[in-house]
Amino acid sequence: DAGVIQSPRHEVTEMGQEVTLRCKPISGHDYLFWYRQTMMRGLELLIYFNNNVPIDDSGMPEDRFSAKMPNASFSTLKIQPSEPRDSAVYFCASSGLGARTDTQYFGPGTRLTVL
Amino acid sequence: AQSVTQLGSHVSVSEGALVLLRCNYSSSVPPYLFWYVQYPNQGLQLLLKYTSAATLVKGINGFEAEFKKSETSFHLTKPSAHMSDAAEYFCAVRVGQGAQKLVFGQGTRLTINP
Repeated sequence: DAGVIQSPRHEVTEMGQEVTLRCKPISGHDYLFWYRQTMMRGLELLIYFNNNVPIDDSGMPEDRFSAKMPNASFSTLKIQPSEPRDSAVYFCASSGLGARTDTQYFGPGTRLTVL
Repeated sequence: AQSVTQLGSHVSVSEGALVLLRCNYSSSVPPYLFWYVQYPNQGLQLLLKYTSAATLVKGINGFEAEFKKSETSFHLTKPSAHMSDAAEYFCAVRVGQGAQKLVFGQGTRLTINP
Protein backbone atom coordinates (compact mmCIF):
# COMPACT_ATOMS: atom_id res chain seq x y z
CA ASP A 1 0.00 0.00 0.00
CA ALA A 2 1.19 3.53 -0.72
CA GLY A 3 0.40 4.77 2.75
CA VAL A 4 -1.37 8.01 3.58
CA ILE A 5 -0.83 10.57 0.84
CA GLN A 6 -0.88 14.28 1.48
CA SER A 7 -0.59 17.18 -0.91
CA PRO A 8 0.97 19.58 -1.27
CA ARG A 9 4.07 18.81 0.81
CA HIS A 10 4.89 22.48 1.13
CA GLU A 11 2.65 25.50 0.79
CA VAL A 12 3.65 29.13 1.05
CA THR A 13 0.87 31.67 0.87
CA GLU A 14 0.08 35.21 1.87
CA MET A 15 -2.16 36.23 4.70
CA GLY A 16 -5.79 36.33 3.67
CA GLN A 17 -5.51 33.68 0.99
CA GLU A 18 -7.46 30.45 0.99
CA VAL A 19 -5.46 27.29 1.59
CA THR A 20 -6.62 23.76 0.84
CA LEU A 21 -4.76 20.72 2.12
CA ARG A 22 -5.54 17.30 0.74
CA CYS A 23 -5.35 13.78 2.09
CA LYS A 24 -5.87 10.31 0.70
CA PRO A 25 -6.13 7.70 3.48
CA ILE A 26 -5.01 4.11 3.25
CA SER A 27 -7.53 2.07 1.32
CA GLY A 28 -9.99 0.30 3.60
CA HIS A 29 -9.36 2.53 6.61
CA ASP A 30 -12.54 3.98 8.02
CA TYR A 31 -11.10 6.62 10.34
CA LEU A 32 -9.34 9.77 9.20
CA PHE A 33 -7.65 12.33 11.43
CA TRP A 34 -6.28 15.83 10.86
CA TYR A 35 -3.53 17.08 13.18
CA ARG A 36 -1.54 20.27 13.44
CA GLN A 37 2.01 20.39 14.81
CA THR A 38 3.78 23.52 16.04
CA MET A 39 6.72 24.11 18.31
CA MET A 40 4.58 25.97 20.80
CA ARG A 41 1.55 23.69 21.01
CA GLY A 42 2.94 20.33 19.94
CA LEU A 43 0.68 17.87 18.15
CA GLU A 44 -3.00 18.83 18.22
CA LEU A 45 -5.95 16.84 16.90
CA LEU A 46 -8.14 19.14 14.84
CA ILE A 47 -10.91 16.82 13.65
CA TYR A 48 -11.58 13.20 12.87
CA PHE A 49 -14.01 11.31 10.68
CA ASN A 50 -15.51 7.84 10.82
CA ASN A 51 -16.99 6.48 7.60
CA ASN A 52 -16.76 9.98 6.11
CA VAL A 53 -18.78 11.55 8.94
CA PRO A 54 -17.13 14.12 11.27
CA ILE A 55 -17.14 12.70 14.79
CA ASP A 56 -15.21 15.25 16.80
CA ASP A 57 -14.26 18.71 15.58
CA SER A 58 -13.61 20.20 18.99
CA GLY A 59 -9.99 20.83 18.07
CA MET A 60 -10.76 23.04 15.09
CA PRO A 61 -9.40 26.41 16.19
CA GLU A 62 -12.04 28.67 14.69
CA ASP A 63 -14.51 29.14 11.88
CA ARG A 64 -11.73 29.89 9.43
CA PHE A 65 -10.98 26.16 9.45
CA SER A 66 -13.20 23.60 7.78
CA ALA A 67 -12.76 19.96 6.84
CA LYS A 68 -14.66 17.68 4.54
CA MET A 69 -14.58 14.05 3.57
CA PRO A 70 -16.74 13.61 0.46
CA ASN A 71 -15.81 9.95 0.05
CA ALA A 72 -13.74 7.22 1.68
CA SER A 73 -10.61 8.05 -0.27
CA PHE A 74 -10.35 11.81 0.01
CA SER A 75 -10.44 14.57 2.59
CA THR A 76 -9.65 18.27 2.60
CA LEU A 77 -8.75 20.78 5.27
CA LYS A 78 -9.43 24.34 4.26
CA ILE A 79 -8.31 27.57 5.88
CA GLN A 80 -10.04 30.73 4.73
CA PRO A 81 -8.72 33.34 5.25
CA SER A 82 -5.27 32.20 6.32
CA GLU A 83 -3.24 34.01 8.98
CA PRO A 84 0.46 33.87 9.90
CA ARG A 85 -0.38 32.01 13.12
CA ASP A 86 -1.72 29.14 11.00
CA SER A 87 1.85 28.34 9.94
CA ALA A 88 2.47 24.76 11.02
CA VAL A 89 2.87 21.23 9.76
CA TYR A 90 -0.50 19.59 9.12
CA PHE A 91 -0.71 15.82 9.28
CA CYS A 92 -3.38 13.48 8.09
CA ALA A 93 -3.63 9.99 9.59
CA SER A 94 -5.91 7.03 9.03
CA SER A 95 -6.76 3.87 10.91
CA GLY A 96 -9.02 0.85 10.65
CA LEU A 97 -8.93 -2.49 8.91
CA GLY A 98 -9.29 -5.43 11.21
CA ALA A 99 -6.83 -5.99 14.02
CA ARG A 100 -4.88 -2.85 13.28
CA THR A 101 -7.69 -0.53 14.21
CA ASP A 102 -5.67 0.94 17.09
CA THR A 103 -2.80 2.07 14.94
CA GLN A 104 -2.94 5.41 13.24
CA TYR A 105 -0.83 5.69 10.10
CA PHE A 106 0.43 9.17 9.42
CA GLY A 107 1.11 10.91 6.15
CA PRO A 108 4.31 12.88 5.55
CA GLY A 109 2.62 16.17 6.38
CA THR A 110 2.08 19.52 4.68
CA ARG A 111 4.31 22.33 5.84
CA LEU A 112 2.26 25.53 5.63
CA THR A 113 3.85 28.96 5.78
CA VAL A 114 1.58 31.98 5.83
CA LEU A 115 3.42 35.24 5.21
CA ALA B 1 -10.06 12.19 31.06
CA GLN B 2 -7.18 10.28 29.56
CA SER B 3 -3.83 12.05 29.26
CA VAL B 4 -0.11 11.38 29.08
CA THR B 5 2.86 13.31 30.42
CA GLN B 6 6.32 12.89 29.00
CA LEU B 7 9.06 13.77 31.43
CA GLY B 8 11.85 15.65 29.73
CA SER B 9 11.46 17.48 26.45
CA HIS B 10 15.07 16.71 25.53
CA VAL B 11 17.17 13.64 26.30
CA SER B 12 20.76 13.23 25.24
CA VAL B 13 22.69 9.96 25.44
CA SER B 14 25.94 8.63 24.06
CA GLU B 15 26.00 6.07 21.29
CA GLY B 16 25.83 2.62 22.85
CA ALA B 17 24.27 3.86 26.08
CA LEU B 18 20.86 2.99 27.48
CA VAL B 19 17.93 5.01 26.21
CA LEU B 20 15.13 5.74 28.68
CA LEU B 21 12.21 7.97 27.73
CA ARG B 22 9.59 8.49 30.37
CA CYS B 23 5.82 8.54 30.01
CA ASN B 24 3.17 8.61 32.70
CA TYR B 25 -0.51 8.24 31.92
CA SER B 26 -3.81 9.14 33.47
CA SER B 27 -6.81 7.07 32.56
CA SER B 28 -10.14 6.18 34.16
CA VAL B 29 -10.31 2.95 32.18
CA PRO B 30 -7.68 0.33 31.35
CA PRO B 31 -5.47 2.27 28.95
CA TYR B 32 -4.29 1.48 25.48
CA LEU B 33 -0.86 3.13 25.19
CA PHE B 34 1.37 3.86 22.24
CA TRP B 35 4.83 5.12 21.42
CA TYR B 36 5.37 6.83 18.10
CA VAL B 37 8.60 8.10 16.57
CA GLN B 38 9.03 11.08 14.26
CA TYR B 39 12.19 11.44 12.20
CA PRO B 40 13.04 14.88 10.81
CA ASN B 41 10.63 16.08 8.15
CA GLN B 42 8.52 12.95 8.36
CA GLY B 43 5.22 11.87 9.81
CA LEU B 44 4.84 9.81 12.95
CA GLN B 45 5.23 6.04 12.83
CA LEU B 46 4.28 3.46 15.40
CA LEU B 47 7.07 2.02 17.53
CA LEU B 48 4.96 -0.18 19.78
CA LYS B 49 1.64 -0.39 21.57
CA TYR B 50 0.20 -1.84 24.76
CA THR B 51 -3.32 -3.25 24.52
CA SER B 52 -3.74 -5.05 27.87
CA ALA B 53 -1.92 -8.23 26.91
CA ALA B 54 1.73 -8.67 27.98
CA THR B 55 3.03 -5.82 30.14
CA LEU B 56 6.41 -5.85 28.40
CA VAL B 57 5.93 -4.80 24.82
CA LYS B 58 8.59 -5.12 22.15
CA GLY B 59 8.62 -2.81 19.20
CA ILE B 60 10.64 -2.03 16.14
CA ASN B 61 14.31 -1.03 16.06
CA GLY B 62 15.08 -2.73 19.38
CA PHE B 63 12.79 -0.58 21.51
CA GLU B 64 10.57 -1.92 24.24
CA ALA B 65 8.26 -0.50 26.89
CA GLU B 66 6.88 -1.83 30.12
CA PHE B 67 3.40 -1.08 31.37
CA LYS B 68 3.38 -0.56 35.15
CA LYS B 69 -0.09 -0.01 36.50
CA SER B 70 1.11 0.71 40.04
CA GLU B 71 3.27 3.54 38.74
CA THR B 72 0.91 4.60 35.90
CA SER B 73 3.95 4.51 33.66
CA PHE B 74 4.85 3.29 30.19
CA HIS B 75 8.52 4.13 29.79
CA LEU B 76 10.36 3.44 26.54
CA THR B 77 13.80 1.83 26.62
CA LYS B 78 16.52 0.60 24.32
CA PRO B 79 19.64 -1.10 25.70
CA SER B 80 22.10 0.45 23.27
CA ALA B 81 21.53 3.72 21.42
CA HIS B 82 22.38 4.07 17.78
CA MET B 83 22.92 7.30 15.88
CA SER B 84 19.87 6.50 13.77
CA ASP B 85 17.67 6.67 16.90
CA ALA B 86 17.92 10.45 16.93
CA ALA B 87 14.33 11.60 16.54
CA GLU B 88 11.33 12.88 18.46
CA TYR B 89 9.32 10.36 20.44
CA PHE B 90 5.67 10.68 21.40
CA CYS B 91 3.71 8.77 23.97
CA ALA B 92 -0.06 8.54 23.41
CA VAL B 93 -3.14 7.12 25.08
CA ARG B 94 -6.36 6.04 23.42
CA VAL B 95 -9.36 8.01 24.60
CA GLY B 96 -12.18 5.79 25.80
CA GLN B 97 -12.91 2.15 25.20
CA GLY B 98 -13.46 1.29 21.57
CA ALA B 99 -12.54 4.81 20.52
CA GLN B 100 -9.96 5.70 17.92
CA LYS B 101 -8.95 9.11 19.18
CA LEU B 102 -5.46 9.42 20.65
CA VAL B 103 -4.12 12.03 23.02
CA PHE B 104 -0.40 12.64 22.52
CA GLY B 105 2.23 13.85 24.94
CA GLN B 106 4.40 16.86 24.17
CA GLY B 107 7.20 14.73 22.79
CA THR B 108 10.79 14.05 23.80
CA ARG B 109 13.61 14.89 21.45
CA LEU B 110 16.35 12.26 21.64
CA THR B 111 19.87 13.28 20.69
CA ILE B 112 22.65 10.71 20.29
CA ASN B 113 26.21 11.83 20.93
CA PRO B 114 29.02 10.02 19.08
